[in-house]
Parts: sequence; C-alpha cells; structure tokens
Amino acid sequence: QSVLTQPPSASGTPGQRVTISCSGSSSNIGSNTVNWYQQLPGTAPKLLIYSNNQRPSGVPDRFSGSKSGTSASLAISGLQSEDEADYYCAAWDDSLNALYVFGTGTKVTVL
Amino acid sequence: QVQLQESGPGLVKPSETLSLTCTVSGGSVSSGSYYWSWIRQPPGKGLEWIGYIYYSGSTNYNPSLKSRVTISVDTSKNQFSLKLSSVTAADTAVYYCARGTYYYDSSGFQLWFDPWGQGTLVTVSS
Repeated sequence: QSVLTQPPSASGTPGQRVTISCSGSSSNIGSNTVNWYQQLPGTAPKLLIYSNNQRPSGVPDRFSGSKSGTSASLAISGLQSEDEADYYCAAWDDSLNALYVFGTGTKVTVL
Repeated sequence: QVQLQESGPGLVKPSETLSLTCTVSGGSVSSGSYYWSWIRQPPGKGLEWIGYIYYSGSTNYNPSLKSRVTISVDTSKNQFSLKLSSVTAADTAVYYCARGTYYYDSSGFQLWFDPWGQGTLVTVSS
C-alpha cells in the first residue's frame, strides 16, 4: 500500500509537455527529498531524478523535477515516443515505521 | 561501471524460503558510501522496497516484511543476499537488487537507488 499518490495515467502527443504529480505527507516528501524512476516496458526501473531535481549523467534535460511542501512533480518537455513508460516517485518516510516508499506509478502514453 | 545481477530459483513452494543472491561487479559491496538493497514488483503492480544492508552488516527492513526477511552480505564474494521465509503466492514478484546512495543534509535523509539489476521473477507455487 503506497503512501505516495500518483495519477494512474498521463498522455501527450510528441513535442508536448507532460506533468506527473506525486502527493505525500509531512513524514515523507515533507521531510526528505524525492526521487523519480522510469521503467520502460519489460525492463528494470532506472533512476531519472534524485534529490528533488537532480538528473544523473545521461538523463536528458527534457526531464525535470520539483518539490513543494508535501508534493512533487515530474515534467517531461518535448515528449518523445521513447518516453512511453511507467514513472514512479519515491522518498524516505520518517514515520514510526521508517521505510522507503514508492508512489503508485503513472503510465505515460505518447499518442 | 557498477553492475548488479540477481540469481536464484525461479520457483519456490508455499511456506518455504525464497533465497536470492546479488553479485556486484565493477564496484565493491565494502564501500561505505552505499546501502545494498532489495526491491520487488508483483506482476502488473508497483514497486515495494524490501530492505537494505550496509557493508558492516547493519540492516533496515520494510516493517511489513521484517518478520520474514533477512538480508546478508558476503564481502569476500562481493555479494549480498535475500532470504524471505514462509512465502505465499502474494510473494510472487520480480525481485531487483540495487545500490542505494545515501546522505543526510538540511533537506533530510536522501536515498536513491542506482543502478538496478535486471530483475529475476520468483513464482511461489506448489
């Protein structure tokens, strides 16, 4: 049972900008940094954004992350067909039962 | 660059213990900069963090699995392992190992997983 809530789906045409939201609470996003992972069909997840808005080497600058309060967002600008994938937000949760939590996941479809 | 590879049985009987090993190449599990982690994904569902281990052997587990999980490290083989006891069909999933980078700062506890292994499907069935 995920404590980070994402919309199940998002879509756009090539070249459009798509934004995915991630809603949490004071014990996770409100207290710690947010990461985003991209999972292409049939493959392992890949780190896309760490520390709210940092891109690992090799990740295109079309991908950007932000955080405000207990929510975070991932934006994909200039959407491309190869961006069709599942996207997960994640953060450490400082609640009584401390653990790393993932979001519910968002399927991005390129129309 | 660092690569991780999971290995172990793809089929486990209910009530038995699931055992997987992650072999690390291009890097060392003895590095003090990382947490070595297990994450799973049931078919068609989302990701669930199982736990991690530090090279010293200290561990942290998902509370929902804590009573059944043991993660260990073998620095001589550059491997770390997962054992999950008393499995049921609900434990059927793709199991991933991953390297966790961490630190604390004014932003809180920062932890992210990169890279990941390719994953291995474990089915619990008689």
